[in-house]
Amino acid sequence: SQKIEQNSEALNIQEGKTATLTCNYTNYSPAYLQWYRQDPGRGPVFLLLIRENEKEKRKERLKVTFDTTLKQSLFHITASQPADSATYLCALGDNFNKFYFGSGTKLNVKP
Amino acid sequence: EAQVTQNPRYLITVTGKKLTVTCSQNMNHEYMSWYRQDPGLGLRQIYYSMNVEVTDKGDVPEGYKVSRKEKRNFPLILESPSPNQTSLYFCASSLGARKETQYFGPGTRLLVL
Repeated sequence: SQKIEQNSEALNIQEGKTATLTCNYTNYSPAYLQWYRQDPGRGPVFLLLIRENEKEKRKERLKVTFDTTLKQSLFHITASQPADSATYLCALGDNFNKFYFGSGTKLNVKP
Repeated sequence: EAQVTQNPRYLITVTGKKLTVTCSQNMNHEYMSWYRQDPGLGLRQIYYSMNVEVTDKGDVPEGYKVSRKEKRNFPLILESPSPNQTSLYFCASSLGARKETQYFGPGTRLLVL
């Protein structure tokens, strides 16, 4: 079965530093990968999508990489701010219109 | 305002009592989906729909039913709820599965006693 792993331990960083979150997957060949932000008690909010034939995607302070050989995606937030504190989810989409989510990594950005 | 709405937001029920959670979107999206979120397990897809009258099973469909009679609505039906269906449920929609982001509703917290 598909398995998506995100670091379950919280990531604590200082304001202004770059946060890097990891998403690893096994037994899977995704067509694309998405990153979402989720705040407590709220639904996930889409951040970025990257397709299997793309290596990197950027949007403002966010950057996503996708390595299908390593079966890994990295999500970077540069110049992090306390407002970036949240749980970040990765989701893989297959060619059959299904989605598989990781359990998320909590990011704490300290002022 | 473009949004996905769910009702109710909170529900406490007893084992075996049929319930329906409604989901509606006002963005004319073709793709809609239901997820449940449990601690440590992340979001798991229950059912999804590519368009009206087209539904398919996700990863954890047992104990759930859905219907898609209109494009904007995608209700989740629990015919005979059990305590292991206690969870946080999210509805989501997108233009197409591969085309766009999924927009999530605010969630429905369900407790089955």
